[in-house]
Amino acid sequence: TQLLEQSPQFLSIQEGENLTVYCNSSSVFSSLQWYRQEPGEGPVLLVTVVTGGEVKKLKRLTFQFGDARKDSSLHITAAQPGDTGLYLCAGVDFGNEKLTFGTGTRLTIIP
Amino acid sequence: GAVVSQHPSWVICKSGTSVKIECRSLDFQATTMFWYRQFPKQSLMLMATSNEGSKATYEQGVEKDKFLINHASLTLSTLTVTSAHPEDSSFYICSAARDWSPLEQYFGPGTRLTVT
Repeated sequence: TQLLEQSPQFLSIQEGENLTVYCNSSSVFSSLQWYRQEPGEGPVLLVTVVTGGEVKKLKRLTFQFGDARKDSSLHITAAQPGDTGLYLCAGVDFGNEKLTFGTGTRLTIIP
Repeated sequence: GAVVSQHPSWVICKSGTSVKIECRSLDFQATTMFWYRQFPKQSLMLMATSNEGSKATYEQGVEKDKFLINHASLTLSTLTVTSAHPEDSSFYICSAARDWSPLEQYFGPGTRLTVT
């Protein structure tokens, strides 16, 4: 079972600042997803990356999949209070058709 | 499209009793449903995977006799926590997928279980 470590675990920044969240593993993923979860709700899919080195942009969010397919990052520019939430990466490894979630990063954007 | 509901959204039960949580795919047929558990301030942990009409596959360390899963139709799966204890208190989240792909899961809003 792969272990997905996210860093930082907690992050609190001012509105307008930029930030990066990391997701790392010693295992290779066939694909990786990023989710955001609000308190008391289920996670909502933000993006799926499937190719090593892939970069995807979703408005102010930029997702990158490492060349070796072992790591990923989420960069947010000009953070807004609406970005507050728990960010989870989740990976699928080759031959294991299950989604394994990372340890999570709790982000708070201060107005 | 791809809406998943859970019922109830929260439940309080006494220790020793059983509680059933429903997971429904409202606008699509779900071949596969997944059940997750999330403790406060922690990530989601997969408990089991269920395919319609067959027995659920449980993750290591999850007691299948305690967490009964039934996926009787393509739109409904249920999780029954039997003989609940306070340590079973958690946030239970289901997800549904049209096929076997774990990348195509749609998550429900979760059920908060508190065992007193």
